Amino acid sequence: DIQMTQSPPSLSASAGDRVTITCRASQSISGYLNWYQQKPGKAPKLLIYAASILQSGVPSRFSGSGSGTDFTLTISSLQPEDFGTYFCQQSHNTPFTFGPGTKVDVK
Amino acid sequence: QVQLQESGPGLVKPSETMSLTCTVSGGSMNSYYWSWIRQSPGKGLEWIGHIHFSGSTNYNPSLQSRVTISVDTSKNQFSLKLTSVTAADTAVYYCAHKVQSNWFEPWGQGTLVTVSS
Repeated sequence: DIQMTQSPPSLSASAGDRVTITCRASQSISGYLNWYQQKPGKAPKLLIYAASILQSGVPSRFSGSGSGTDFTLTISSLQPEDFGTYFCQQSHNTPFTFGPGTKVDVK
Repeated sequence: QVQLQESGPGLVKPSETMSLTCTVSGGSMNSYYWSWIRQSPGKGLEWIGHIHFSGSTNYNPSLQSRVTISVDTSKNQFSLKLTSVTAADTAVYYCAHKVQSNWFEPWGQGTLVTVSS
């Protein structure tokens, strides 16, 4: 199985800050990487697919980059509603696997 | 916009079989893939498997011996059966639509299943 890791496990930032979350795969997954946001008590919601393509309806302050084994999710200007946990997921092959998550708190 | 809703017992006894159903509304199940994913504090998010509307399936090898996913397009539903459950199967279970390129959207709201006597 492809193992996914994320860093940091959690972060706290102020509104307006630029935030970067890193995801690493245990082997190359090309650009087959997706990002989700999950709020407490809710299901995950797709933000970015294929490493850098913004899902319809997602604010443009979210962006993704990377290929191979290293990927980043960037929030260019953190907003109060961006709190939650962010997960990466590899879609290169089965079994599809997720990262452990990065919990984001807005000060 | 397709919507999904899980249903089923919230409490299952150890060694028994867990059964969940996902009802799809707002669209047809044809030509798409339908998945089950679970989330527990210990294991995080875990893909269980998926089924194509035609009935072909793909399961996580870690669960393959205990999992069956089936589909009933006439009812716009697909189902999950997990046999011989233990406390380790306690989790929130989500159903989700999977696209051809293997990302998941949308998801159902999730249903908590607790395995306990």
